[in-house]
Amino acid sequence: DAGITQSPRHKVTETGTPVTLRCHQTENHRYMYWYRQDPGHGLRLIHYSYGVKDTDKGEVSDGYSVSRSKTEDFLLTLESATSSQTSVYFCAISEFRGLQEGYTFGSGTRLTVV
Amino acid sequence: DAKTTQPTSMDCAEGRAANLPCNHSTISGNEYVYWYRQIHSQGPQYIIHGLKNNETNEMASLIITEDRKSSTLILPHATLRDTAVYYCIVRALNSGNTPLVFGKGTRLSVIA
Repeated sequence: DAGITQSPRHKVTETGTPVTLRCHQTENHRYMYWYRQDPGHGLRLIHYSYGVKDTDKGEVSDGYSVSRSKTEDFLLTLESATSSQTSVYFCAISEFRGLQEGYTFGSGTRLTVV
Repeated sequence: DAKTTQPTSMDCAEGRAANLPCNHSTISGNEYVYWYRQIHSQGPQYIIHGLKNNETNEMASLIITEDRKSSTLILPHATLRDTAVYYCIVRALNSGNTPLVFGKGTRLSVIA
């Protein structure tokens, strides 16, 4: 979607290797999120950020770390990828101004760990 | 936390109105009803949200019952491109530190 991009769009990696996914926004939104989506589980929150260097864990944070050194970038790192981390990863941004609210999601990153 | 209940799937004929129900009997006074949809292989897309009054925008209408325990999302003239999973979510407005939690949603199939 306009204003938010994820990279890479697709990646195949081997078990045990580190992987970093990038989410970049041009909207200057305060909040950024990483979700994963798997068949039968729907969208599940991994980590989120409510400002530069301010992050918190979601329901499926084990095996993942995040960093946000500047407003526009939110990085998701798999320190040592496992096959269970094969998934589609979505980044989202949001801002809250009065009655205006809404999440904007990226197009997703399809990660395969072999 | 299962704050909402939606049917697993629904079908709708192209050109007809699609009415997607959602039960949220434990909704709190400060919680809004949000609707998102996810078209296959894409990220979820915001549709609409409301507190207690009916809302309408260019995408859909949201009808919330007077007791706020249920709501209906209406797509007035469904097209094939409306085939997607629709998520009903309740949360407080401006609750920035409370991320969206997605349930299983309703899979809407629009049939030609």
